[in-house]
Amino acid sequence: AQSVTQLDSHVSVSEGTPVLLRCNYSSSYSPSLFWYVQHPNKGLQLLLKYTSAATLVKGINGFEAEFKKSETSFHLTKPSAHMSDAAEYFCVVSVLPWGGGADGLTFGKGTHLIIQP
Amino acid sequence: GAGVSQSPSNKVTEKGKDVELRCDPISGHTALYWYRQSLGQGLEFLIYFQGNSAPDKSGLPSDRFSAERTGGSVSTLTIQRTQQEDSAVYLCASSLRLLSPYEQYFGPGTRLTVT
Repeated sequence: AQSVTQLDSHVSVSEGTPVLLRCNYSSSYSPSLFWYVQHPNKGLQLLLKYTSAATLVKGINGFEAEFKKSETSFHLTKPSAHMSDAAEYFCVVSVLPWGGGADGLTFGKGTHLIIQP
Repeated sequence: GAGVSQSPSNKVTEKGKDVELRCDPISGHTALYWYRQSLGQGLEFLIYFQGNSAPDKSGLPSDRFSAERTGGSVSTLTIQRTQQEDSAVYLCASSLRLLSPYEQYFGPGTRLTVT
């Protein structure tokens, strides 16, 4: 089984300052890790994914995340926040091999990112 | 291109009534997933389909919930005898193949309100 912990339920930053959304995971197998974003009244959109290639992953809208196996972390960062980044962010882990069932995919509880003008 | 679509977008129903939620995945995607997003609860994985088969139904909250997929395409999630705790946004997603490393594409969701 695996688990995902998003360490902050809410993060507030000023526009133009760096963003850090923290995610720790546990997994018995080599994981694939994803970050999804959900804007108000919109569907979930994939930001980026890690699948055992480069440990530093670049995604859309200037976001990136670094897979650190030793720390079991996959934190999401952005150098400069924009007002349009205000949304809910979900860290997700899935594993191979996957035996099926609800354990195959695990979402974190989400981090609400607030951008102050 | 066409993404995942869900219907209806909003559904208000009386307690005890049955509801059917529909999901149209991206064409060619073999895997389909249903989730429930309740206020303050995050996303709850309900069930997945590989083709028309749902190998594991253990994620469904109760036996009032059922799901099917036909023709490797459209899926329906049915909730019988709805209860107020069923109120949530029900999300559908599809992926080219089953899960990792294939990312899931999400539909806009169906907001279910049980009065």
